[in-house]
Amino acid sequence: DIQMTQSPSSLSASVGDRVTITCRASQSITNYLNWYQQKPGKAPKLLIYATSRLQSGVPSRFSGSGSGTDFTLTISSLQPEDLATYYCQQSFSTPFTFGQGTKLEIK
Amino acid sequence: QVQLQESGPGLVKPSETLSLTCTVSNGPLTDYYWTWIRQSPGKGLEWIGYMSYTGSSKYNPSLKSRLTISIDTSKKQFSLKLNSVTAADTAVYYCARQVSESLPVFDYWGQGTLVTVSS
Repeated sequence: DIQMTQSPSSLSASVGDRVTITCRASQSITNYLNWYQQKPGKAPKLLIYATSRLQSGVPSRFSGSGSGTDFTLTISSLQPEDLATYYCQQSFSTPFTFGQGTKLEIK
Repeated sequence: QVQLQESGPGLVKPSETLSLTCTVSNGPLTDYYWTWIRQSPGKGLEWIGYMSYTGSSKYNPSLKSRLTISIDTSKKQFSLKLNSVTAADTAVYYCARQVSESLPVFDYWGQGTLVTVSS
């Protein structure tokens, strides 16, 4: 199985800050990397797919980059509603696997 | 927009079979792949498996020996059966839509249902 490792596990930032979350795969997954946002008590929501493609309806402050084994999710200007846990997921091969999550708190 | 809703028992005894159904509304079952994912505190998010509207399927090898996913296009439902459950199968179970086999991203999710394995 491909292991997905996210860092940091948690972070605290202020409204307006630029926030970066990283995800590393245990082997190359080319660009088969997706990001999800999960708010407390809710199902995950697709934010970005294929490394950098923004899902319809997702604010443009979210962006993704990377290739191979190293990927990044960036929030350009943090908003209060971005309080959530963020997960990366590889769709390169089955079994599809997720990172352990990054819990984002607002200062 | 597309909606998915899980249903099934919230409590299952050890060694018995966990059965869940996902009903799809406001969208077609055809042209998509239908997936089960679970989330537990200990193992995080875990992909269980998928089935297409044509009946082709892929399962997580870690669960394959105990798992059956089926689809009923006439009822717009797909189902999960996991047998010989243990406490390790306690989790929130989500059904989700996978865009395609070549684009395995999950764009719509059910709200999730908690299944506890306990006597």
